[in-house]
Amino acid sequence: GQNIDQPTEMTATEGAIVQINCTYQTSGFNGLFWYQQHAGEAPTFLSYNVLDGLEEKGRFSSFLSRSKGYSYLLLKELQMKDSASYLCAVRDSNYQLIWGAGTKLIIKP
Amino acid sequence: GAVVSQHPSRVICKSGTSVKIECRSLDFQATTMFWYRQFPKKSLMLMATSNEGSKATYEQGVEKDKFLINHASLTLSTLTVTSAHPEDSSFYICSARVRDVEAFFGQGTRLTVV
Repeated sequence: GQNIDQPTEMTATEGAIVQINCTYQTSGFNGLFWYQQHAGEAPTFLSYNVLDGLEEKGRFSSFLSRSKGYSYLLLKELQMKDSASYLCAVRDSNYQLIWGAGTKLIIKP
Repeated sequence: GAVVSQHPSRVICKSGTSVKIECRSLDFQATTMFWYRQFPKKSLMLMATSNEGSKATYEQGVEKDKFLINHASLTLSTLTVTSAHPEDSSFYICSARVRDVEAFFGQGTRLTVV
């Protein structure tokens, strides 16, 4: 079966750095996505990785290793507004998104 | 950037009535849109893939006659929840694929059936 694993919840301190991991087992691979979702709102696109390596976009970076079925989202200089759920999703061989359950990130002052 | 507008953001309806949710791409043409449902503290569940000018492709377990999807133009897809029941209460979200990236989501619709 297809599976996306990410931690249920993480806690970090304002100003610090946090890494949210995502491992996947899917039928084929056509890209990995990270989304941010605040409570009661729709997801917001953060990043897209299709090749191995690190993609940096401001305070957020996303890493992919296809051979290991692994990705992480790195958030630097954490701000209180970064408190949200972070969803990892993989597009499989049928071009369908397989969603992780999301990681709830709690930022403490 | 591309914007997807979803309407209404909240709706309360009586059991047995139908509700239509609209999803519009405002500054681009979306040949493919996706409809998701999300339960509290759960991830997104794909309901169907909506293709302009053709029938929607429904995921296993999703009732086609209950969740009617129409994608009549390149900028509009609609989801109609027919004969709604309290168990249909949920957060419904549409998204559009643009240049191979599922980057754009509508604002979501909170449906409450009483």
